[in-house]
Amino acid sequence: GNSVTQMEGPVTLSEEAFLTINCTYTATGYPSLFWYVQYPGEGLQLLLKATKADDKGSNKGFEATYRKETTSFHLEKGSVQVSDSAVYFCALSRNRDDKIIFGKGTRLHILP
Amino acid sequence: DAGVIQSPRHEVTEMGQEVTLRCKPISGHDYLFWYRQTMMRGLELLIYFNNNVPIDDSGMPEDRFSAKMPNASFSTLKIQPSEPRDSAVYFCASRDGRGSNQPQHFGDGTRLSIL
Repeated sequence: GNSVTQMEGPVTLSEEAFLTINCTYTATGYPSLFWYVQYPGEGLQLLLKATKADDKGSNKGFEATYRKETTSFHLEKGSVQVSDSAVYFCALSRNRDDKIIFGKGTRLHILP
Repeated sequence: DAGVIQSPRHEVTEMGQEVTLRCKPISGHDYLFWYRQTMMRGLELLIYFNNNVPIDDSGMPEDRFSAKMPNASFSTLKIQPSEPRDSAVYFCASRDGRGSNQPQHFGDGTRLSIL
């Protein structure tokens, strides 16, 4: 079946450090891939997405590249800020599917 | 544009009581999803609707849970009777099903505590 696996947290970094959160997926066909972010006390919100192989999604300094050969969609940011502290969810949906399959989430703490 | 609106934001009640959570999706969205989030189980899809019709309720934990969508702008999730293990944050999300791969838009959730 379709599934998403992302690295377990929490991840703790100092401000201005480089961030990578790993995400791999299992799916038939050609899914679309998403990263969602959840700030404390809020719902999930879309951070970025990619809909086909080799696409790069980007937003707010975050990037992720759809790698079909490695079935991965790792999230990266060159210099994190304290305000990036949140829980990050990798997710997929297959074309025309109703549902989005979410990973378990990775909690990120950024220390000043 | 207004986002997904959930009410109440917080609910504290005693076990055995009926609890009703409410959701107003984004206007024009034809999909509506109910999720539950806990530390132990993470984010779980409970049920979702398309054009006000329930499509998949396989995630509803037991018969104490029910959900309705009487019209395109309103949905409820009801727990009767409530139990302490139902304590969680409940999220509603909506999506525009026109076109493929549209993202889901989440409300800010209802934090439910059953004493």
